[in-house]
Amino acid sequence: AQKITQTQPGMFVQEKEAVTLDCTYDTSDPSYGLFWYKQPSSGEMIFLIYQGSYDQQNATEGRYSLNFQKARKSANLVISASQLGDSAMYFCAMRERTSGSRLTFGEGTQLTVNP
Amino acid sequence: DAMVIQNPRYQVTQFGKPVTLSCSQTLNHNVMYWYQQKSSQAPKLLFHYYDKDFNNEADTPDNFQSRRPNTSFCFLDIRSPGLGDAAMYLCATRIQAGVGETQYFGPGTRLLVL
Repeated sequence: AQKITQTQPGMFVQEKEAVTLDCTYDTSDPSYGLFWYKQPSSGEMIFLIYQGSYDQQNATEGRYSLNFQKARKSANLVISASQLGDSAMYFCAMRERTSGSRLTFGEGTQLTVNP
Repeated sequence: DAMVIQNPRYQVTQFGKPVTLSCSQTLNHNVMYWYQQKSSQAPKLLFHYYDKDFNNEADTPDNFQSRRPNTSFCFLDIRSPGLGDAAMYLCATRIQAGVGETQYFGPGTRLLVL
């Protein structure tokens, strides 16, 4: 079974608008962390935001926020005020306590920001 | 300043000709990873080192080997590259702590096999 599911292969948004990228996960481990990475066409994976399973509040980092709904096992990324430079591939990933050093990635969402 | 450095950024090799990709880090992280990423796919973990302990993923082909001579450097050796090995190879590092410590990725090496 897929541990991380990103159901949107591609998303389009107008510049300056907000966009939500979906991510659902599957784990029975009570201790886990959720990550979002951005990968521009240049290839480098850029860390955006982190949410721990025991965190009470949703994580925020500048224009990025994570809508964490633990009971629904979802960790959607919200990008506010989209910019042209936000066009990239976005990956959701999870590390479980029982998986040690391993990070499990979703298949990614290709975001295109239109002017 | 770059924290995870990969050289070269682009590598062209011939079918069957051994190739080595390198990764270095200035973060003094004890965990280093190698991923293979093909076009429009998620990164696939090949192996990782926890200090000097080598951890191979079960489905990593024998054609792929790795060396970590010290904390700062890690190498990926592809003994006999095939056309299917053309991909982006990403190195990442992490401090081993709880689940929350993020991985820091290098810029990647794009490998082309002719």
